[in-house]
Order: sequence, then C-alpha cells, then structure tokens
Amino acid sequence: QQPVQSPQAVILREGEDAVINCSSSKALYSVHWYRQKHGEAPIFLMILLKGGEQKGHDKISASFNEKKQQSSLYLTASQLSYSGTYFCGTEKRGGADGLTFGKGTHLIIQP
Amino acid sequence: EPEVTQTPSHQVTQMGQEVILRCVPISNHLYFYWYRQILGQKVEFLVSFYNNEISEKSEIFDDQFSVERPDGSNFTLKIRSTKLEDSAMYFCASSAAGGVYEQYFGPGTRLTVT
Repeated sequence: QQPVQSPQAVILREGEDAVINCSSSKALYSVHWYRQKHGEAPIFLMILLKGGEQKGHDKISASFNEKKQQSSLYLTASQLSYSGTYFCGTEKRGGADGLTFGKGTHLIIQP
Repeated sequence: EPEVTQTPSHQVTQMGQEVILRCVPISNHLYFYWYRQILGQKVEFLVSFYNNEISEKSEIFDDQFSVERPDGSNFTLKIRSTKLEDSAMYFCASSAAGGVYEQYFGPGTRLTVT
C-alpha cells in the first residue's frame, strides 16, 4: 500500500520554509526521500530508519515518527534549485526490498 | 562520482515486439532494481535483484518481464511482448546494500510502444 504524501503541491517564495509529510498505514523499516526534476531521474535526499538513524543531505532535514508511521521533510530557506517533485519511498523490511513511493509533492519556488 | 548508466535513452517499439533495456549499476553495488514511471505519475517498483536472483517483485512484474545480469557489469530488463500500457520511463537503480543504503537511480530509458 502506497504512502500518502501531503500537501500535493506547494508554492513558495525563495527563502521560505516548507514541510512535506509522508504517512503509511503499515509498519515501516525505513523512509527514503527523493527529489525529481521534470524529465530527470529521482535524486536521493535522505534515509530515515526505524530507531532514529538518518543519512542525508546537509541542507535538508527530516524526522520519522515510528509510532505514527509518519515522516516529514523540512526544507529551510528554500532556494530556486529546490523546485521539483518530492517523493517519499517506504520500505517494510530491510534487504533488497523495492521502495513503494507516494504520489509526490510538487514544490515550486518563485524568486 | 560513480553513477548508474542506462541505454538506450529512448526506445520506440511496436506493440508485440520484445525490448531489452540495459543498465550498468555502480561498480561495487550489490543490489539492483528496476522501476517505471508512467508520464506524470509516481515511480513504481518492478523488481529487485541480489546475488543473481530476484529478491522481490511487484504485481506489475508479470511473466512478460524478466531480468538478467549477463556479466559482471550489465543488468537488463526484458519485456517479451510489449503492450501500449508498457510505455513509460524505466529507471534502473542500485545500492551498496539493501535497506539502510540509498538507491541511486540511472537517467532512465523512455520506452514508447506504438
């Protein structure tokens, strides 16, 4: 079952902050965040693991609430280059599992 | 910086034809994946591959699909008899290990079935 992302779309001015949410009805092992620009491949941003460990990007932070099976991605002081579609991908167990992606959140940063 | 490469970048084929999409994962990675993305929609998992066998596959990955690692560097996705609804961007990804490691995506192959 796919994770649910919110909001579906966000329009910001450069320098503003954004929060993108991802929630699942199933217990998760990890949450992966990607950004995709139009016509390009998804680019890895963050992984959050059950137990609190996270690996990711210098200018982007995220949280993972294991009890609620929710993750949030925080973009602070947004830059024009942050524009794109943000996908969360979830994994129920470790190993060679594929990711189940949400429908994405479209982020538009205006100057 | 190492990256996943895919060929061709665009493939046009007629319905019913076989296509093979090729990927070269990052050299020291052990886990390989195929995903697809229909235009304007989310990325969908097809199959994962580890230790020369399929580890997991989705409902989309039916008998028309197969994967192979024919040598030490290539990872291929074959669609035996293409349908119009197979038209999509196909992404290959690889990771150093499963689970805790990020999956790096290739640039994709756009498959158009006419």
